[in-house]
Amino acid sequence: GQNIDQPTEMTATEGAIVQINCTYQTSGFNGLFWYQQHAGEAPTFLSYNVLDGLEEKGRFSSFLSRSKGYSYLLLKELQMKDSASYLCAVRDGDYKLSFGAGTTVTVRA
Amino acid sequence: ETGVTQTPRHLVMGMTNKKSLKCEQHLGHNAMYWYKQSAKKPLELMFVYNFKEQTENNSVPSRFSPECPNSSHLFLHLHTLQPEDSALYLCASSQGQGDTGELFFGEGSRLTVL
Repeated sequence: GQNIDQPTEMTATEGAIVQINCTYQTSGFNGLFWYQQHAGEAPTFLSYNVLDGLEEKGRFSSFLSRSKGYSYLLLKELQMKDSASYLCAVRDGDYKLSFGAGTTVTVRA
Repeated sequence: ETGVTQTPRHLVMGMTNKKSLKCEQHLGHNAMYWYKQSAKKPLELMFVYNFKEQTENNSVPSRFSPECPNSSHLFLHLHTLQPEDSALYLCASSQGQGDTGELFFGEGSRLTVL
């Protein structure tokens, strides 16, 4: 089966930087996604990586190393509204999307 | 507003009841999905429909019965559920063949089985 690991919880201070790591072991690889999910709301798309390297989008960046089965999501200049769950998801060899359990980020003033 | 609408948002049912969850997407997508989200667990893929045809049934118990009458609508029919089926049920859609696989989610139907 697919194995996608990410930390359960992280806490950081407003204005700081937080890095959420994700490691994966899947049968094939066709891309990695990060989603944000606020409590009681739909998961929303943040980023997509299919090639190695860093993708930057405003305050959020995502990195991928396919040889290491590793990705991270970097959140800069944290704001209170960034408190949410962050989901790592891998599109495997059958093009199905498998998710990690999510990382709950709490931003404190 | 994600373009994917789920109803009802909350549902409480007894183990002998029959109810249905509804999902509608306004994005012109060709693939639709049901996921189960339980606390502290990864999203579990339940069913996938591509162009109205079921292409994935992830060993889901028969007390969950999906229906996809067209590419815009997806239902999940529920009967004789168990308390452990209590969870958030998320519907999602994607463009279909040839895309990156990005999913667009609805806000979910929170199901409580008594």
